[in-house]
Formats: sequence, C-alpha cells, structure tokens
Amino acid sequence: GNSVTQMEGPVTLSEEAFLTINCTYTATGYPSLFWYVQYPGEGLQLLLKATKADDKGSNKGFEATYRKETTSFHLEKGSVQVSDSAVYFCALTPSGNTPLVFGKGTRLSVIA
Amino acid sequence: EAQVTQNPRYLITVTGKKLTVTCSQNMNHEYMSWYRQDPGLGLRQIYYSMNVEVTDKGDVPEGYKVSRKEKRNFPLILESPSPNQTSLYFCASRDTANYGYTFGSGTRLTVV
Repeated sequence: GNSVTQMEGPVTLSEEAFLTINCTYTATGYPSLFWYVQYPGEGLQLLLKATKADDKGSNKGFEATYRKETTSFHLEKGSVQVSDSAVYFCALTPSGNTPLVFGKGTRLSVIA
Repeated sequence: EAQVTQNPRYLITVTGKKLTVTCSQNMNHEYMSWYRQDPGLGLRQIYYSMNVEVTDKGDVPEGYKVSRKEKRNFPLILESPSPNQTSLYFCASRDTANYGYTFGSGTRLTVV
C-alpha cells in the first residue's frame, strides 16, 4: 500500500541553523508529494509540493526535491527562524482521485 | 476568502450523546475529507467524498457517519460518541486540478 515515513521528532535547533527533515515514501506509480505545516493551534497549511520526479518544490525558504530513485522528499531550509517552530507533515497522493496519505509528523522547535 | 470552515472549534460531550461537527467550503471543490489527529499517530482519514451523494470509508471509519447532500457541506456525525473518539478533527477539501488540499482550523473533541 501507500505509506509515508518521516523522521521522528522533536527536532530542536538554534536560530539560523540548517534544517533537514527526512521523508521517504512507498507508493505505486508516480505520486504527487507534499509538505504541510501546522502552527500551534491551527490547521494544516500546504508548504510546498512536487508532482513529478526531479521537481523541486519551494516556499518561504523551504525546499524539497522529488527523488524517485531513493523514493524521498526531504525538507530543507538553510537558516531557520523561531517562527518556523511547528509540526511538519510529509504526504503523498498517488493520483488526483485518491486520498492524501500523511506521515506522522515531525515537531520542530527553534530557539533564539 | 477561500476557506474551509469547521464548527465548533472545541466541544466537550458525554459518552453516547449524538453530535455533529459541521464543515463547509466556499471553493466549489468536489472532493472533501475528514481526518483525525492523535499524538504519535499523525493524521488518519475517517471518510471522504468525491462528490455530492458519493462517500467512502477511509482508514478509521468505525463510529462515524458522514453525508454529502450538497457540494459545500460535509458534516461528520458521531451517533454514540465514546472516549476513544477524543481527538482533534480536521475537515479538508481538494482542488482536483492541482491536488492542493485546504484544511479547516480543526475541532478539538473531548468525550467524557
């Protein structure tokens, strides 16, 4: 079946540190891949996405590249800020008519 | 503003007392879905709907009902709530053209 595995948190970083949150997936065919972010007390917001192999999604300084050969979609940011503290979810959908499958989420805390 | 609206945001109820959580979207999306979020388990899909009068079970449908009588609304019904349904619930709708999901702000349900 389809599944997403992401690194367990919590991840604690100092401001301006480099961030990597690993995400690997199992899916049939060519899924679309997403990163969602959940700030405290809020719903999930789409952070970035990639719909085919080698695509790079980017937004707000975050990036992730769709790597089909390693079935990965790792999230990176060169310099995190306190305001990036949130829970990050990796997700996939195999096609437009199938449900979104989420990883378990990684909590990021950035300290000043 | 394009949004998914859930009500209520917070609800405390007693075991066995029927309740409904409402969800409404203003984006004319065909696809809508309900998720529950639990610590250590991430987001799990309860039910989804591909269009009006079309609903299907997700990963954890037991104890829940849904209906989709009109495109904009997708209520979640708990006929006889139990304490194991204490959770944070999210409604989402999706643009089938680009797979983007929009989430509501969540409903925190406590069943005592």
